[in-house]
Formats: sequence, structure tokens, C-alpha cells
Amino acid sequence: ILNVEQSPQSLHVQEGDSTNFTCSFPSSNFYALHWYRWETAKSPEALFVMTLNGDEKKKGRISATLNTKEGYSYLYIKGSQPEDSATYLCAPNTNAGKSTFGDGTTLTVKP
Amino acid sequence: NAGVTQTPKFQVLKTGQSMTLQCAQDMNHNSMYWYRQDPGMGLRLIYYSASEGTTDKGEVPNGYNVSRLNKREFSLRLESAAPSQTSVYFCASSELRQVPDTQYFGPGTRLTVL
Repeated sequence: ILNVEQSPQSLHVQEGDSTNFTCSFPSSNFYALHWYRWETAKSPEALFVMTLNGDEKKKGRISATLNTKEGYSYLYIKGSQPEDSATYLCAPNTNAGKSTFGDGTTLTVKP
Repeated sequence: NAGVTQTPKFQVLKTGQSMTLQCAQDMNHNSMYWYRQDPGMGLRLIYYSASEGTTDKGEVPNGYNVSRLNKREFSLRLESAAPSQTSVYFCASSELRQVPDTQYFGPGTRLTVL
């Protein structure tokens, strides 16, 4: 089981603010990292998968970067909107197989 | 395609009762997972099945058993429910081959043990 840490645990921002949060994981035997978005009363859904050091992915106002050498990934949201309110989970996996989920960062965007 | 389906959606049990949570996927995925979600603790893996015919323990397997009935179905059984098993249970599936294993989740089962 990988030691995956996400920070902060929760975040409250105003509509229009930009924000970012961090996922830290052991850099040894890294294979891939997923970011999932989990809205209240729904199921987690995959946002991004990244495999290479220096990878950057973007989906609308949300983007993510990956540093496999130092073992971290950042998720950025530009101009947050109330519909961005959700818990964002990261899940790295090693070449041994299945992913390990972090506890998530819960984002609340106030109108 | 329905994706991943779970039954039931809600269940209330008394301490000591048993029940089976059902999960099925129609994406022809090899791997299936059972997680529980407790407040402030994210997703914790109970059991997983990397392929049909195999099952392995996750982080929190005590008090649970699983059956991979076929490639589509993966059930989770509570033999003697305890209040500590009150949680939301999610089933997921993925390919888990030599590619990143993006997991697809079911809608969850909310279980209360009194």
C-alpha cells in the first residue's frame, strides 16, 4: 500500500478564485497517477491520467502537472465556479498494479 | 452500457445480521474492487479481484468476504454485521493490464448497521 498524501484536506474559495492542491506519493516504482473528481452523492469519475515526468494535462479550467522524480502532482483550477465544488482524489499506482487512493481535497466554491 | 451497477442502494441491518452486496459491470473489465468510504477517510480498499478466479485482500478486509462469480460480477458479503461497518460501499472495475488502471465506479450502497 502506497503512502499517498493530499493537501490541504479542505479548501473554501470564492467564485472566480484560482486554486491548487497537492498530491504526494513515493517516487520509487512509479507507473501512473490518476486524478478523480467526486461530487457529493455521486461516484468518483476519472479526470486525468498521467504517466511521464513533466506531464501536463488540461480539461477546461482544470489542469494537472506531474513530477515523478520528487513524487508529487498539482491540480490547478482557474477561475473556480460553484460547479467545481467536489472532492478531488489522486491515485498513483506502481508497476505492481492497482492504484492507491489519497484521502482527497474537498473544494467548496462559494458564489 | 450501464457501466457498473450495485444493488441494493440502501440497506439497514441489525447487528449480527448478514447480507451480500452485489456488483456487476458490462465493460468486459478484468479487475473489480470493493471500497468503503467513511467521513474524512476517502476510499479504503476492502478486497479486489485482479482477474476472474482470483481475489486478494485490501487495506480493511476484516469482517468481509468476496466472491468473483464470473467476469461480470463481484459480490461482497458481511457475515455478521457490526455498527463499525456502517459506511458507503463502492464497487469499481478496471482493465489492470499494462496500462494505467482507470477505475469506473458504481453508484454506491449506503449501509447502516444498528
